[in-house]
Amino acid sequence: QVQLAESGPGLVRPSETLSLTCTVSGVSLSTYYWSWIRQPPGKGLEWIGYIYYSGTTNYNPSLKSRVTFSADTSKNQFSLRLSSVTAADTALYYCVRAYGGGSGSRFDSWGQGKLVTVSS
Amino acid sequence: YVLTQPPAVSVAPGQTASVTCGGSNIGRKSVHWYQQKPGQAPVLVVFDDTERPSEIPERFSGSNSGNTATLTISRVEAGDEADYYCQVWDTSSDHCFFGSGTKVTVL
Repeated sequence: QVQLAESGPGLVRPSETLSLTCTVSGVSLSTYYWSWIRQPPGKGLEWIGYIYYSGTTNYNPSLKSRVTFSADTSKNQFSLRLSSVTAADTALYYCVRAYGGGSGSRFDSWGQGKLVTVSS
Repeated sequence: YVLTQPPAVSVAPGQTASVTCGGSNIGRKSVHWYQQKPGQAPVLVVFDDTERPSEIPERFSGSNSGNTATLTISRVEAGDEADYYCQVWDTSSDHCFFGSGTKVTVL
């Protein structure tokens, strides 16, 4: 059974870089595509993008200029970096398995979410 | 690509709830549905318009045609009270879109 767990700072200063890591267990990272999805407090879901272990990425155009994903198969982890954050980036960040491979995928396994607050 | 969901749906226990997801020619896309209870991560309840993960009760079903996809919850129970989100991929841009979510309240 696949399990995902987000880790990283829960507080980030404005203009700095948000960094989160997702540790995957129960399945090899190289078998699937993986996504980050976020949810501002009291609001809906926003897809940030996906990554394949080979390095293939696809980002939400609204965040593309600030987002970088990476994957480390030796640790079975993938990561998110979001630069120049503002209060609008305050959200619960989920790492998710994108089953089906890229476009058309369904998100069938979710981490518990990591609340990241942007504040000075 | 814009997906339109009603903000809220109310239903009495034992009755049927229908949650719609509107989008241009959405019938040509595969629609996935998620249930999110307070303080929990979303859970996939319907995928590829009509398919259910094995752990999801048969009471949850989906349909998709024209400009509207629908999640139907039959014989609604108190435990079905949650936010429900639809999700599609726009193949031309290879980007993913979520609906704004519908809060289902069991009266």
